Amino acid sequence: KAGVTQTPRYLIKTRGQQVTLSCSPISGHRSVSWYQQTPGQGLQFLFEYFSETQRNKGNFPGRFSGRQFSNSRSEMNVSTLELGDSALYLCASSLGLAGGLQETQYFGPGTRLLVL
Amino acid sequence: DAKTTQPPSMDCAEGRAANLPCNHSTISGNEYVYWYRQIHSQGPQYIIHGLKNNETNEMASLIITEDRKSSTLILPHATLRDTAVYYCIVRGKSGNTPLVFGKGTRLSVIA
Repeated sequence: KAGVTQTPRYLIKTRGQQVTLSCSPISGHRSVSWYQQTPGQGLQFLFEYFSETQRNKGNFPGRFSGRQFSNSRSEMNVSTLELGDSALYLCASSLGLAGGLQETQYFGPGTRLLVL
Repeated sequence: DAKTTQPPSMDCAEGRAANLPCNHSTISGNEYVYWYRQIHSQGPQYIIHGLKNNETNEMASLIITEDRKSSTLILPHATLRDTAVYYCIVRGKSGNTPLVFGKGTRLSVIA
């Protein structure tokens, strides 16, 4: 079974631009979570999508947004890019089971964004 | 904030067992212990998780103390490819709660 895929793998943007990153979950997984990793702050949770709805959200400004499509693929968007948005953006998928059962998240390789 | 404490770095000789400790003294009864690792600039890789019993899979063993206040991840025969940052995470039982990563332990496997 193929793993989580993320595109593009590398991206260079300039301040003020916007960017869209894409994530395809493992087949059959319905939940997608996004994380940001920087040298200063480490790995931090951005948001989670399940069934095309944002189910959970971390402490990031509104410039960070996301969406999920009916096939469970997800995109995240960052508007008005700042230098501090340079980071590795990671997507993780999980089954998305009902009933509150513990779910393991499986990560993709990440998209490395550099803002100049 | 992360609810775990890990040593910042450890070394291990190739072929020997790597024992990575984690302290989670404030863990509550319905929280699991998860371990992930991240090889340089790649996405974190799931290793193992457990609630209170010891767990083993093809990658590693997880030993949780009886009081559940600490645990140890064991890589039985470390190889150079096991060099990575290892994260110990305490996570709520219900639903798909976000993973809260601390700084982890940087394990260096030395030939």
